Amino acid sequence: KNEVEQSPQNLTAQEGEFITINCSYSVGISALHWLQQHPGGGIVSLFMLSSGKKKHGRLIATINIQEKHSSLHITASHPRDSAVYICAVRDNSNYQLIWGAGTKLIIKP
Amino acid sequence: DTEVTQTPKHLVMGMTNKKSLKCEQHMGHRAMYWYKQKAKKPPELMFVYSYEKLSINESVPSRFSPECPNSSLLNLHLHALQPEDSALYLCASSQTDRGTSPLHFGNGTRLTVT
Repeated sequence: KNEVEQSPQNLTAQEGEFITINCSYSVGISALHWLQQHPGGGIVSLFMLSSGKKKHGRLIATINIQEKHSSLHITASHPRDSAVYICAVRDNSNYQLIWGAGTKLIIKP
Repeated sequence: DTEVTQTPKHLVMGMTNKKSLKCEQHMGHRAMYWYKQKAKKPPELMFVYSYEKLSINESVPSRFSPECPNSSLLNLHLHALQPEDSALYLCASSQTDRGTSPLHFGNGTRLTVT
């Protein structure tokens, strides 16, 4: 079993839909990262969370430490949101970053 | 624009060539990382430098040789690579390597070994 599980693996939605991507992890963590990778390759850090909820524009990230679960939400989705979204957690025993497999999101106009 | 600059963006090299990938950041970050990413896979950690000292080497073959000349620069020297080494090589930095600061990534170098 992977230490970081993301779901779904692939998601296709229509423009304007509310999007949710989930991340579950099994290790103790010091922080959880949500990152975005466009087809060109560069990775952008969206959020770093250790508790609660963060919002940036149309993006919202939440984390429940007790349940070891985080969600990334996109409101009013747009084709430019199409990308791979990756959850990664920092293991608090060795500070290593453990990556999820990513969720490929396609937003159709 | 990314605050971590990687050069070159693309590199094609033969198996007998020697080349270097470069990474630069001017955010005062003291941790810098090299990752290798194959298609449709998450990045795999190769090396971590903390305060200009190599702190993690994830059993990477010696044909990859990292170098951190100063706190802003990170190089990856390549020699006698194999075709399976073709991948996207990503550099990242963070305030420290203790996991309490965000990661900043470069746009990567897409390497093809022929």
